[in-house]
Amino acid sequence: QKEVEQDPGPLSVPEGAIVSLNCTYSNSAFQYFMWYRQYSRKGPELLMYTYSSGNKEDGRFTAQVDKSSKYISLFIRDSQPSDSATYLCAMNSGNTPLVFGKGTRLSVIA
Amino acid sequence: EAGVAQSPRYKIIEKRQSVAFWCNPISGHATLYWYQQILGQGPKLLIQFQNNGVVDDSQLPKDRFSAERLKGVDSTLKIQPAKLEDSAVYLCASSFGRALSTDTQYFGPGTRLTVL
Repeated sequence: QKEVEQDPGPLSVPEGAIVSLNCTYSNSAFQYFMWYRQYSRKGPELLMYTYSSGNKEDGRFTAQVDKSSKYISLFIRDSQPSDSATYLCAMNSGNTPLVFGKGTRLSVIA
Repeated sequence: EAGVAQSPRYKIIEKRQSVAFWCNPISGHATLYWYQQILGQGPKLLIQFQNNGVVDDSQLPKDRFSAERLKGVDSTLKIQPAKLEDSAVYLCASSFGRALSTDTQYFGPGTRLTVL
């Protein structure tokens, strides 16, 4: 079993839809959870960061962590064509390397 | 603020040839990372520097890969000799402080390597 599992998609939604992206993980020591957005031919950029369990909201984006289920989510409200990108979850347990998921490719159709 | 710079952006080589990539981190960033991102995969850490010292190189294939960070600023990653499975995007990232999980990593655009 891989440490971090993420459905690669692709996921295609109409503009304005609510998007749900998810990752599961196996390492119970993970405490720091991140979502990165990667546009084509670009490097990843940090979108959301969450420590331990709970929710975090930033504009149209909400990150959720459920450590009991080893499950994290990213919700995008009122999705826009500019949200079309690959979304990578990443996590670690402290001063250890980030472990990334494979990424989910999202297309928002106008 | 200028971002992380990488060159070249693209490189095509034959297997068994050597190749080198260069990275210039954001000014003042102490920690520098090299990642390998194979098509359809997430980035995988190859090596992490803090200033000019190696923090983690446990996933670096040391028989063919080497990296250095000159004077704690620029860094080069070298592959010699290259194999077909080295075809990937090589990403450089930097962060401001010590190698803490909470430090945001800023990524460069990457170098896309194709080994024929």
